[in-house]
Amino acid sequence: NAGVTQTPKFQVLKTGQSMTLQCAQDMNHEYMSWYRQDPGMGLRLIHYSVGAGITDQGEVPNGYNVSRSTTEDFPLRLLSAAPSQTSVYFCASTIREGRSTYTFGSGTRLTVV
Amino acid sequence: SQQGEEDPQALSIQEGENATMNCSYKTSINNLQWYRQNSGRGLVHLILIRSNEREKHSGRLRVTLDTSKKSSSLLITASRAADTASYFCATDGGGIKAAGNKLTFGGGTRVLVKP
Repeated sequence: NAGVTQTPKFQVLKTGQSMTLQCAQDMNHEYMSWYRQDPGMGLRLIHYSVGAGITDQGEVPNGYNVSRSTTEDFPLRLLSAAPSQTSVYFCASTIREGRSTYTFGSGTRLTVV
Repeated sequence: SQQGEEDPQALSIQEGENATMNCSYKTSINNLQWYRQNSGRGLVHLILIRSNEREKHSGRLRVTLDTSKKSSSLLITASRAADTASYFCATDGGGIKAAGNKLTFGGGTRVLVKP
């Protein structure tokens, strides 16, 4: 099993550009989520999904969109990149939210110039 | 806002010594989890302790949970250079929202184990 796969691993964007960070899991997990990690801030939840067709906002959702058309995929879209979105992004999944351990992807390091 | 707060923020020890870090949280929880993150990598789950448990062991790891004080501790015994990493505690939201219990992380403890 591959677990949680994130692509790309690194990305540089210009201010105002848009892009999609991909996340896929092959563990049939119901719950998927996106976090951003900034120095000294720990991980902050951006968006999450409790199942296909269901998404909701986390702590820092502004500037990001998500969709969950399949159980496996949970892409994160940056609508108009800003330097404040420079961060490391992690996708995580679990069988059932709040009751199980989470599996994390290896992260996408994004720089917005 | 962060649910869990780790203490200390950084810890430097010699190989073979024990490393202890603490986590405090604010709201009621279903469980508390500890994760490790090596530099530039994703987070790896270490141990989960449920709200009705007080202590749990896994290899060289010992976790305690005191729900009355809303705190947890992670002890790594006989540390090794390979234990050098950041350690995060994470809590769920205790079911406040019907949508579920989102995992909330603290800022982490950076541990350096010197050979």
